[in-house]
Amino acid sequence: EVQLVESGGGLVQPGGSLRLSCAASGFTFSSYWMSWGRLAPGKGPEWVANIKQDGSEKYYVDSVKGRFTISRDNAENSLFLQMNSLRVDDTAVYYCSRTREDGGMDVWGQGTTVTVSS
Amino acid sequence: QSVLTQPPSVSAAPGQKVTLSCSGSSSNIGRNFVSWYLHLPGTAPKLLIYENTKRPSGIPDRFSGSRSGTSATLGITGLQTGDEADYYCGVWDSSLNTALFGGGTKLTVL
Repeated sequence: EVQLVESGGGLVQPGGSLRLSCAASGFTFSSYWMSWGRLAPGKGPEWVANIKQDGSEKYYVDSVKGRFTISRDNAENSLFLQMNSLRVDDTAVYYCSRTREDGGMDVWGQGTTVTVSS
Repeated sequence: QSVLTQPPSVSAAPGQKVTLSCSGSSSNIGRNFVSWYLHLPGTAPKLLIYENTKRPSGIPDRFSGSRSGTSATLGITGLQTGDEADYYCGVWDSSLNTALFGGGTKLTVL
């Protein structure tokens, strides 16, 4: 079964850091682009970042550039999102997704909740 | 304000057909493949359409996609009450180097 399982969310103060992880199984992880997206309360989905199969290309939404870093470990079938200088408006459920070459995100995890609050 | 424009809401009766639009520009819809997603509160988005017109396995053929110029459309026939959800278009923008989602359309099946 194709599966993505996120972890690492939690409550953090503004300015703090968190590292999200996404464990992939059931498919050849190293063959796919991977993405992080988020759903803030009452809002639609927002793409956050993606990374090429070998990690050679990474792209970010403007609002997280310089603060978030996406990475992957193909040997461990894992995707990561290092989030620094967190802001209140980063509060959301964060999802990892398998991303097709055409950009379609065809498999999503169950999400992990990040709450930034003092 | 989203770069991709979707009508905020659409409604139709059970059994009817509805079309949901997504308007973009030459740097996104005009150049790259469009995807469509269904979203229910508290859940992850679900891919309905990829590469403008293709359906993943398990998605019924009541759902269809098309693209013309800088606009894309999701069609749903034989509407069911279970189709009530928010629908989002998504596409890569080659100028911004970011993936975009539209603002979403809330579908109500009356």
